[in-house]
Amino acid sequence: EPEVTQTPSHQVTQMGQEVILRCVPISNHLYFYWYRQILGQKVEFLVSFYNNEISEKSEIFDDQFSVERPDGSNFTLKIRSTKLEDSAMYFCASSVRGAYYNEQFFGPGTRLTVL
Amino acid sequence: DAKTTQPTSMDCAEGRAANLPCNHSTISGNEYVYWYRQIHSQGPQYIIHGLKNNETNEMASLIITEDRKSSTLILPHATLRDTAVYYCIVRVSGSNYKLTFGKGTLLTVNP
Repeated sequence: EPEVTQTPSHQVTQMGQEVILRCVPISNHLYFYWYRQILGQKVEFLVSFYNNEISEKSEIFDDQFSVERPDGSNFTLKIRSTKLEDSAMYFCASSVRGAYYNEQFFGPGTRLTVL
Repeated sequence: DAKTTQPTSMDCAEGRAANLPCNHSTISGNEYVYWYRQIHSQGPQYIIHGLKNNETNEMASLIITEDRKSSTLILPHATLRDTAVYYCIVRVSGSNYKLTFGKGTLLTVNP
């Protein structure tokens, strides 16, 4: 069964450093998403991406964040200058469609620890 | 946004049916009800969704009341591996993309 994959599973970085989290969405999916979950808190939407453009983003997704689909398979989330409060699980998701009646399939997550 | 209300936690005996309720009294006519679950620190997993008819798949059944103000997710024969946080989500009005997760219901399946 096709699945979303994410690398690395755990990333440790120093505050102020840049990190890139990688995701390989399901191959025939067209819509891609990033969510994050701070330990003990809700899963929060960050951004959605379609046709090489951001289609929606949350207030969390400020200028420190960027997303890219550098090739036909990868989808990346970059945090330019990490802060302590960026420590969280980051989940990538993908869906065939972006409308009301879609299912989003999530990857296993990358645990980001900022020291 | 249509707000959902779920119990904080529920217990279920292994092998029995687990019935997880969700209240969404402000749902609008074109909003779907989705259920996802999250097993400890893993990525959320899609379970089922529906608009107004009852739905069933290999994982669960979704019963939506006629007035659409509430729904119940049914796991017919719960196993220990079904222990997870279950989220009832109504697609956000005005947004075609994001899922808004609440706190969900922690279902604990006991042996």
